[in-house]
Amino acid sequence: QSALTQPASVSGSPGQSITISCTGTSSDVGAYNFVSWYQQHPGKAPKLMIYEVTNRPSGVSNRFSGSKSGNTASLTISGLQAEDEADYYCSSYIINNNWVFGGGTKLTVL
Amino acid sequence: QVQLVQSGSELKKPGASVKVSCKAFGYTFTSYGMNWVRQAPGQGLEWMGWINTNTGNPTYAQGFTGRFVFSFDTSVTTAYLQISSLKAEDTAVYYCVPSNSYYFDYWGQGTLVTVSS
Repeated sequence: QSALTQPASVSGSPGQSITISCTGTSSDVGAYNFVSWYQQHPGKAPKLMIYEVTNRPSGVSNRFSGSKSGNTASLTISGLQAEDEADYYCSSYIINNNWVFGGGTKLTVL
Repeated sequence: QVQLVQSGSELKKPGASVKVSCKAFGYTFTSYGMNWVRQAPGQGLEWMGWINTNTGNPTYAQGFTGRFVFSFDTSVTTAYLQISSLKAEDTAVYYCVPSNSYYFDYWGQGTLVTVSS
């Protein structure tokens, strides 16, 4: 199973919005509404930000939102803040209780 | 609340074995399968597989068969990852991640395994 495809890096200024894409196939992202997104700061464990494509866990800012179209899922962060600077990973369920992660995207807040 | 406490960093020589532990608190251990995720230095997350804590049945992702073994002991609510015949490329942080749904909302703090002669 190949990793999902994410851009290596994205950047934006404080207050702006950015979108990170996550492209898979009809066997993973396109097959299930089980895409999740994780934020990881250096030296820390990943943190769940979005689950099942669009849902935010309790405590996650509503500046974070998710969507999906076909084989591509997206994470949008609006009103960028300095603390949003981190690595972001998407993940998708695939058949038979298997999962796959994206390669990760480094977000820089300019 | 759910908490996962992993064992400390390990420094091993090539060819040796290592066993990483992950003690779970705050939930019924057998209600969640236990996943393992690897992160090599400067690299992304890789799902290694998971073990069903009810049946004991493990599932290993491609690239993690043969030298990797998942196990657990329900009496001490602890999951284990054992890696044998260690190679330099096994150097990574290993995370335990329980799940009973389609996402990973609780993560251990990670265990750094360094393989170096």
